Amino acid sequence: QSVLTQPPSVSGAPGQRVTISCTGSSSNIGARYDVHWYQQLPGTAPKLLIFGNINRPSGVPDRFSGSKSGTSASLAITGLQAEDEADYYCQSYDSSLTVVFGGGTKLTVL
Amino acid sequence: QVQLQESGPGVVKPSQTLSLTCTVSGGSITSGAYSWSWIRQHPGKGLEWIGYIYNSGSTHYNPSLKSRVTISVDTSDNQSSLKLNSVTAADTAVYYCARGWFGEPIWFDPWGQGTLVTVSS
Repeated sequence: QSVLTQPPSVSGAPGQRVTISCTGSSSNIGARYDVHWYQQLPGTAPKLLIFGNINRPSGVPDRFSGSKSGTSASLAITGLQAEDEADYYCQSYDSSLTVVFGGGTKLTVL
Repeated sequence: QVQLQESGPGVVKPSQTLSLTCTVSGGSITSGAYSWSWIRQHPGKGLEWIGYIYNSGSTHYNPSLKSRVTISVDTSDNQSSLKLNSVTAADTAVYYCARGWFGEPIWFDPWGQGTLVTVSS
């Protein structure tokens, strides 16, 4: 049971917009800790997608965007492409002195 | 750019110590205000943070693993090391090393490709 809750799966057709939620509590996201997002393509290591809630590292397309409000955060992907099919993880920190990850969301491009 | 590569035994016997090394290339492990982190992923599951070490030598471990984990840095070899003792089948996982960036909280970039460690007799 992950401290940060993500939907197990989401799906969308090419060109559509999808969002992935990451729900925490007052001891992690709600405690003003930032949220980061990672993309894990099949059979590969995770790759940083968003850091500090909203920032994209160099090379990440602007189709990917992040937001945070209260005890939750979201990752939005617009103009969905087949290559976006992957697992997505949110990450933050908990007042129990632990770096925490969400359980992951599998994105399927229909 | 900085690249990380994990190495170590692919099989460890129960009750023994898992030892992995992360070799950093393309930059010095002592440069910048980074930390050097270990994260694992059980087969078919999500990510679990193990711990990290700063260049200063200070460490921060997952409380659930703290009693069994040691992370160290060898500056002469530009490597970080992970030791996890008293392993059981529950420690079977892909182990990743990653560079940690200072933030509130820390984020991880880049990651190594990962190495699968199986605990089995």
